[in-house]
Amino acid sequence: DVKVTQSSRYLVKRTGEKVFLECVQDMDHENMFWYRQDPGLGLRLIYFSYDVKMKEKGDIPEGYSVSREKKERFSLILESASTNQTSMYLCASTTTPTLELFFGEGSRLTVL
Amino acid sequence: EDQVTQSPEALRLQEGESSSLNCSYTVSGLRGLFWYRQDPGKGPEFLFTLYSAGEEKEKERLKATLTKKESFLHITAPKPEDSATYLCAVRLDSNYQLIWGAGTKLIIKP
Repeated sequence: DVKVTQSSRYLVKRTGEKVFLECVQDMDHENMFWYRQDPGLGLRLIYFSYDVKMKEKGDIPEGYSVSREKKERFSLILESASTNQTSMYLCASTTTPTLELFFGEGSRLTVL
Repeated sequence: EDQVTQSPEALRLQEGESSSLNCSYTVSGLRGLFWYRQDPGKGPEFLFTLYSAGEEKEKERLKATLTKKESFLHITAPKPEDSATYLCAVRLDSNYQLIWGAGTKLIIKP
């Protein structure tokens, strides 16, 4: 089975702190994604990557950056966390963008 | 504007009471419609992909159908373990990104 592992399930940070969210997949997928999930809204794409060192902005990239140095690892970085970035963050991967996504269990971030 | 709307927001059923969840879409070109299940505190888990009007897919007590404007997720004789939030997403012709609905929270009472 495909496994997508997110490093932190729950984080509490202060406004202005730098935050790293890490995601690792074990199925050699080329494509990896970071989504944000908020109540009453559909999943919103922050960034995706279709290859090592490649990245594309999604719908809401402002305030975020990403890093993909190795195929299996995709990191989301909040350079200076703000309270409006309190959310559930979901990482996903797939071998082909037209096929289904495999999600991690999510990282719930609270920014105080 | 491309849009995906799920209804109802929440649905409470008794065990064994069959019903349907709706996912309606207004998009410029459909390349696929996906259904996912999400348990509390977990990431979404893939259920079905539908590609063209008239297509149907089944898995245990769930059946997904697709028309040119909407998709239904029919649940037959549900059990408490079917309680979850069900998400639908649409992939457009123009790119590889998905447009997601906000989900339907399904609660099955024993």
